[in-house]
Amino acid sequence: DAKTTQPPSMDCAEGRAANLPCNHSTISGNEYVYWYRQIHSQGPQYIIHGLKNNETNEMASLIITEDRKSSTLILPHATLRDTAVYYCIVRVVGSNYKLTFGKGTLLTVNP
Amino acid sequence: DVKVTQSSRYLVKRTGEKVFLECVQDMDHENMFWYRQDPGLGLRLIYFSYDVKMKEKGDIPEGYSVSREKKERFSLILESASTNQTSMYLCASSTLDTVGGYTFGSGTRLTVV
Repeated sequence: DAKTTQPPSMDCAEGRAANLPCNHSTISGNEYVYWYRQIHSQGPQYIIHGLKNNETNEMASLIITEDRKSSTLILPHATLRDTAVYYCIVRVVGSNYKLTFGKGTLLTVNP
Repeated sequence: DVKVTQSSRYLVKRTGEKVFLECVQDMDHENMFWYRQDPGLGLRLIYFSYDVKMKEKGDIPEGYSVSREKKERFSLILESASTNQTSMYLCASSTLDTVGGYTFGSGTRLTVV
C-alpha cells in the first residue's frame, strides 16, 4: 500500500469546516483512498473512501486531486464530538486484508 | 444501529487464565478480523476469517487462536494469558472485497495481571 503523509495535529473552531489534508504521492492506479477516525478509547470508525472522483456522504466529503497525489477530508460543520485522530489510508481492495494506520492527524475542535 | 458488538468493554484476567473475547456482527459480512492496538505500535492483525470455519494468521498469531462456527460470530481465544497480552483488542468486519471499508467494534481493553 502507498505511504501517506498527514499533519500531526490541527485545530478547528466548532461550527466551522475542518479540512484535513493527506499526501499520497506514490499512489497507484488501483489504490483507493480511505479515511477513518478514532475517538479516544474507542474503535476506529470508517468515514469515507474514493478512487478518483470526489465523494460525499452524511459524515464528510472527500476531495481527491486530479493527479490523485493528495486528498482532503472535509467535515462541513465540525462539532466537539468530531475531536479524534483521523487516518488517511491508501490501499488496494480485495486481496490485502491488512489495515495499516499511520500516525494520523489529531483534530481538536474547540468551542 | 449497533453493527459490530464486542462482548466486554473492559476485562481483567490473571496470568495463565484462558480468555475468550467474543465478537458479533449483524451486517452479513464475510470477513471478520481481530486486531490489537498498542501505543506506538499501531494496529496489528492477529487473525482473520473470510468464511465460516476458515481462518488465516495475521502478523502476530502467537499465543492466540480463533473460532468461527457461525458467520456472524468470531471469537478470539488467549490460551494462557500473559502480561504482554495486555492491550486493546479490536474486532472488525467487512465484505469479501473490503471495498466498503471495515466496521470496527468499540474494543475490549484487556488487562492481564
